[in-house]
Amino acid sequence: AQSVSQHNHHVILSEAASLELGCNYSYGGTVNLFWYVQYPGQHLQLLLKYFSGDPLVKGIKGFEAEFIKSKFSFNLRKPSVQWSDTAEYFCAVNADSSNTGKLIFGQGTTLQVKP
Amino acid sequence: EADIYQTPRYLVIGTGKKITLECSQTMGHDKMYWYQQDPGMELHLIHYSYGVNSTEKGDLSSESTVSRIRTEHFPLTLESARPSHTSQYLCASSGLQGGNIQYFGAGTRLSVL
Repeated sequence: AQSVSQHNHHVILSEAASLELGCNYSYGGTVNLFWYVQYPGQHLQLLLKYFSGDPLVKGIKGFEAEFIKSKFSFNLRKPSVQWSDTAEYFCAVNADSSNTGKLIFGQGTTLQVKP
Repeated sequence: EADIYQTPRYLVIGTGKKITLECSQTMGHDKMYWYQQDPGMELHLIHYSYGVNSTEKGDLSSESTVSRIRTEHFPLTLESARPSHTSQYLCASSGLQGGNIQYFGAGTRLSVL
Protein backbone atom coordinates (compact mmCIF):
# COMPACT_ATOMS: atom_id res chain seq x y z
CA ALA A 1 0.00 0.00 0.00
CA GLN A 2 1.10 3.53 -0.68
CA SER A 3 2.30 5.47 2.33
CA VAL A 4 3.88 8.77 3.30
CA SER A 5 6.32 9.05 6.17
CA GLN A 6 7.33 12.24 7.92
CA HIS A 7 10.46 11.75 9.98
CA ASN A 8 9.90 14.27 12.74
CA HIS A 9 6.73 14.49 14.76
CA HIS A 10 7.69 17.48 16.83
CA VAL A 11 10.39 20.03 16.08
CA ILE A 12 11.39 22.93 18.30
CA LEU A 13 13.59 25.69 16.88
CA SER A 14 14.68 29.15 17.83
CA GLU A 15 13.95 32.05 15.51
CA ALA A 16 16.44 32.38 12.64
CA ALA A 17 17.36 28.70 12.77
CA SER A 18 17.21 26.71 9.58
CA LEU A 19 14.47 24.16 9.05
CA GLU A 20 14.33 20.88 7.19
CA LEU A 21 11.38 18.53 7.50
CA GLY A 22 11.72 15.12 5.95
CA CYS A 23 9.10 13.39 3.82
CA ASN A 24 9.38 10.03 2.10
CA TYR A 25 6.76 8.18 0.12
CA SER A 26 6.39 4.65 -1.14
CA TYR A 27 5.27 4.59 -4.75
CA GLY A 28 7.32 3.84 -7.83
CA GLY A 29 5.30 5.66 -10.46
CA THR A 30 4.53 9.26 -11.30
CA VAL A 31 3.56 11.33 -8.29
CA ASN A 32 2.31 14.80 -7.47
CA LEU A 33 3.71 16.07 -4.18
CA PHE A 34 2.41 18.64 -1.74
CA TRP A 35 3.19 20.31 1.53
CA TYR A 36 0.26 21.71 3.47
CA VAL A 37 0.43 23.89 6.57
CA GLN A 38 -2.09 24.38 9.34
CA TYR A 39 -1.54 27.44 11.52
CA PRO A 40 -3.16 27.40 14.97
CA GLY A 41 -6.91 27.81 14.65
CA GLN A 42 -6.84 27.94 10.86
CA HIS A 43 -7.65 25.53 8.08
CA LEU A 44 -5.16 23.50 6.08
CA GLN A 45 -3.63 25.50 3.27
CA LEU A 46 -1.22 24.70 0.48
CA LEU A 47 2.39 25.67 1.10
CA LEU A 48 3.85 24.38 -2.15
CA LYS A 49 3.48 21.64 -4.74
CA TYR A 50 5.45 19.65 -7.28
CA PHE A 51 3.85 18.27 -10.42
CA SER A 52 6.75 18.17 -12.90
CA GLY A 53 9.77 20.12 -14.11
CA ASP A 54 12.32 21.74 -11.81
CA PRO A 55 12.60 19.48 -8.74
CA LEU A 56 13.29 22.47 -6.52
CA VAL A 57 10.02 24.24 -5.90
CA LYS A 58 9.37 27.44 -4.04
CA GLY A 59 6.26 28.13 -2.02
CA ILE A 60 4.80 30.85 0.10
CA LYS A 61 6.55 32.53 3.02
CA GLY A 62 10.07 31.57 1.95
CA PHE A 63 9.56 27.81 2.02
CA GLU A 64 11.01 25.51 -0.61
CA ALA A 65 11.10 21.76 -1.19
CA GLU A 66 13.24 19.47 -3.27
CA PHE A 67 11.94 16.38 -5.04
CA ILE A 68 14.59 13.65 -5.20
CA LYS A 69 13.07 10.86 -7.23
CA SER A 70 15.84 8.35 -6.49
CA LYS A 71 15.26 8.78 -2.77
CA PHE A 72 11.45 9.00 -2.95
CA SER A 73 11.76 12.17 -0.92
CA PHE A 74 10.24 15.64 -0.87
CA ASN A 75 11.86 17.49 2.03
CA LEU A 76 10.69 20.92 3.09
CA ARG A 77 13.22 23.64 3.91
CA LYS A 78 13.39 27.20 5.10
CA PRO A 79 16.71 28.99 5.73
CA SER A 80 15.52 31.10 8.64
CA VAL A 81 12.30 30.39 10.54
CA GLN A 82 10.14 32.95 12.26
CA TRP A 83 7.88 32.67 15.27
CA SER A 84 4.92 32.93 12.88
CA ASP A 85 5.97 29.64 11.24
CA THR A 86 4.73 27.78 14.31
CA ALA A 87 2.22 25.36 12.81
CA GLU A 88 1.60 21.79 11.81
CA TYR A 89 3.06 20.68 8.48
CA PHE A 90 1.74 17.81 6.38
CA CYS A 91 3.36 16.16 3.41
CA ALA A 92 0.94 14.60 0.91
CA VAL A 93 1.23 12.54 -2.23
CA ASN A 94 -1.13 11.99 -5.11
CA ALA A 95 -0.17 8.80 -6.87
CA ASP A 96 -3.50 8.16 -8.51
CA SER A 97 -3.34 7.34 -12.18
CA SER A 98 -7.14 7.47 -12.49
CA ASN A 99 -7.10 11.21 -11.74
CA THR A 100 -9.43 11.19 -8.75
CA GLY A 101 -6.99 13.53 -7.05
CA LYS A 102 -6.90 11.46 -3.86
CA LEU A 103 -4.15 12.41 -1.44
CA ILE A 104 -2.24 10.27 1.00
CA PHE A 105 -1.00 12.27 3.96
CA GLY A 106 1.90 11.86 6.31
CA GLN A 107 1.29 11.99 10.03
CA GLY A 108 2.32 15.60 10.26
CA THR A 109 5.11 17.52 11.98
CA THR A 110 4.39 20.06 14.68
CA LEU A 111 6.86 22.93 14.44
CA GLN A 112 7.29 25.19 17.44
CA VAL A 113 9.44 28.27 16.93
CA LYS A 114 10.64 30.01 20.07
CA PRO A 115 10.93 33.80 19.86
CA GLU B 1 -8.45 32.18 -0.48
CA ALA B 2 -10.58 29.14 -1.19
CA ASP B 3 -14.32 29.21 -0.68
CA ILE B 4 -15.19 25.99 1.09
CA TYR B 5 -17.35 26.03 4.17
CA GLN B 6 -18.07 23.51 6.85
CA THR B 7 -20.73 23.65 9.52
CA PRO B 8 -20.86 23.25 12.39
CA ARG B 9 -17.30 23.97 13.54
CA TYR B 10 -17.86 22.14 16.81
CA LEU B 11 -20.50 19.58 17.75
CA VAL B 12 -21.05 17.74 21.01
CA ILE B 13 -23.82 15.16 20.94
CA GLY B 14 -24.99 12.08 22.75
CA THR B 15 -24.66 8.49 21.61
CA GLY B 16 -27.28 7.29 19.17
CA LYS B 17 -28.07 10.66 17.61
CA LYS B 18 -28.19 11.16 13.88
CA ILE B 19 -25.97 13.97 12.64
CA THR B 20 -25.14 15.62 9.35
CA LEU B 21 -21.96 17.56 8.77
CA GLU B 22 -22.31 20.14 6.04
CA CYS B 23 -19.74 21.03 3.40
CA SER B 24 -20.22 23.49 0.57
CA GLN B 25 -17.89 25.02 -1.99
CA THR B 26 -18.48 27.87 -4.40
CA MET B 27 -15.59 27.19 -6.76
CA GLY B 28 -17.43 24.82 -9.09
CA HIS B 29 -15.01 22.01 -8.29
CA ASP B 30 -16.06 18.61 -9.54
CA LYS B 31 -14.17 16.59 -6.92
CA MET B 32 -14.90 16.66 -3.21
CA TYR B 33 -13.45 14.72 -0.30
CA TRP B 34 -14.01 13.94 3.37
CA TYR B 35 -11.07 13.22 5.64
CA GLN B 36 -10.99 12.09 9.25
CA GLN B 37 -8.18 13.29 11.48
CA ASP B 38 -7.46 12.29 15.05
CA PRO B 39 -5.19 14.56 17.15
CA GLY B 40 -1.54 14.24 16.15
CA MET B 41 -2.34 11.83 13.37
CA GLU B 42 -2.50 11.94 9.60
CA LEU B 43 -5.60 12.71 7.61
CA HIS B 44 -7.40 9.62 6.36
CA LEU B 45 -9.68 9.75 3.33
CA ILE B 46 -13.11 8.34 4.19
CA HIS B 47 -15.21 9.44 1.19
CA TYR B 48 -14.77 11.12 -2.12
CA SER B 49 -16.85 12.21 -5.05
CA TYR B 50 -15.78 13.09 -8.57
CA GLY B 51 -19.07 14.57 -9.60
CA VAL B 52 -22.79 14.75 -9.01
CA ASN B 53 -24.32 11.39 -8.05
CA SER B 54 -20.90 9.73 -7.79
CA THR B 55 -19.51 8.83 -4.39
CA GLU B 56 -17.00 6.25 -3.28
CA LYS B 57 -15.53 5.11 -0.01
CA GLY B 58 -11.99 6.12 0.80
CA ASP B 59 -9.07 4.24 2.23
CA LEU B 60 -10.28 4.33 5.83
CA SER B 61 -13.45 2.43 6.60
CA SER B 62 -16.17 4.66 8.02
CA GLU B 63 -19.74 4.10 9.18
CA SER B 64 -20.69 7.48 7.77
CA THR B 65 -22.43 8.02 4.44
CA VAL B 66 -22.30 10.87 1.95
CA SER B 67 -24.37 12.22 -0.90
CA ARG B 68 -23.64 14.50 -3.85
CA ILE B 69 -26.87 15.78 -5.31
CA ARG B 70 -25.47 19.18 -6.21
CA THR B 71 -21.98 20.08 -7.35
CA GLU B 72 -21.42 22.50 -4.50
CA HIS B 73 -22.74 20.38 -1.63
CA PHE B 74 -21.25 17.23 -0.07
CA PRO B 75 -22.82 16.43 3.30
CA LEU B 76 -21.68 13.60 5.57
CA THR B 77 -24.18 11.74 7.74
CA LEU B 78 -23.82 9.48 10.75
CA GLU B 79 -27.09 7.60 11.37
CA SER B 80 -26.23 6.71 14.95
CA ALA B 81 -23.25 8.44 16.48
CA ARG B 82 -20.95 6.57 18.86
CA PRO B 83 -18.00 7.71 21.01
CA SER B 84 -15.66 6.00 18.49
CA HIS B 85 -16.79 8.62 15.95
CA THR B 86 -15.22 11.39 18.01
CA SER B 87 -12.72 13.04 15.69
CA GLN B 88 -12.15 15.99 13.39
CA TYR B 89 -13.74 15.82 9.96
CA LEU B 90 -12.24 17.85 7.13
CA CYS B 91 -13.87 18.52 3.80
CA ALA B 92 -11.91 19.42 0.68
CA SER B 93 -12.54 20.06 -2.98
CA SER B 94 -10.49 20.21 -6.14
CA GLY B 95 -11.01 20.84 -9.81
CA LEU B 96 -9.18 21.29 -13.08
CA GLN B 97 -9.65 25.04 -12.92
CA GLY B 98 -7.76 25.02 -9.61
CA GLY B 99 -4.91 22.88 -10.93
CA ASN B 100 -6.33 19.84 -9.10
CA ILE B 101 -5.08 21.27 -5.82
CA GLN B 102 -7.23 20.36 -2.85
CA TYR B 103 -8.67 23.24 -0.86
CA PHE B 104 -9.79 22.52 2.68
CA GLY B 105 -12.56 23.73 4.90
CA ALA B 106 -12.00 24.69 8.52
CA GLY B 107 -13.21 21.30 9.75
CA THR B 108 -15.83 20.04 12.18
CA ARG B 109 -14.65 18.82 15.53
CA LEU B 110 -17.13 16.16 16.67
CA SER B 111 -17.41 14.82 20.20
CA VAL B 112 -19.82 11.98 20.91
CA LEU B 113 -20.53 11.44 24.59
